[in-house]
Amino acid sequence: EAQVTQNPRYLITVTGKKLTVTCSQNMNHEYMSWYRQDPGLGLRQIYYSMNVEVTDKGDVPEGYKVSRKEKRNFPLILESPSPNQTSLYFCASSLLLAGAWGEQFFGPGTRLTVL
Amino acid sequence: TQLLEQSPQFLSIQEGENLTVYCNSSSVFSSLQWYRQEPGEGPVLLVTVVTGGEVKKLKRLTFQFGDARKDSSLHITAAQPGDTGLYLCAGGSGTYKYIFGTGTRLKVLA
Repeated sequence: EAQVTQNPRYLITVTGKKLTVTCSQNMNHEYMSWYRQDPGLGLRQIYYSMNVEVTDKGDVPEGYKVSRKEKRNFPLILESPSPNQTSLYFCASSLLLAGAWGEQFFGPGTRLTVL
Repeated sequence: TQLLEQSPQFLSIQEGENLTVYCNSSSVFSSLQWYRQEPGEGPVLLVTVVTGGEVKKLKRLTFQFGDARKDSSLHITAAQPGDTGLYLCAGGSGTYKYIFGTGTRLKVLA
């Protein structure tokens, strides 16, 4: 089954304790992206990647890191989480089409609480 | 910074009514997508519009991209309870950054 998986689905942590949220897709998509969703703010893009070793900042990259060492995986790293990073996080992937926007497939979400 | 503003933010209607959701920006987008998100799940793509003035239909849903490619609308005819959800527009520009709208939460009452 074609899918995007994220782990963990739920995480409660404390300020300053490094964490990683994993994301994996099995559709051989070039494009992968991380979003956070907050009430009243919609989805905001954190980082995106157009292929292995190619990443770029979205609109809200501060406090986050990503890496793309393999095509299927795109982990999101919070080196020193803070309470304002409490949010619902989504990973997404899509084909990279020349001159067009592909359908983004989203994971099930990770609800993160930073105390 | 490009922004996409959606209106209304919330909409509660009776089954069988029609409704329109708007997605507006001061920026031009090369394409615009509409997604629907249900509680506990990620958004799912409904449609992509690319050409200014383009109209696409998906059963009871009609999507339109403005002539100037700065706005879009989603019209639902004879809404059903199954249409309940969060509707999000998303725009793409020259880079591969996605901009999402703030969302319209629709509730259709039986």
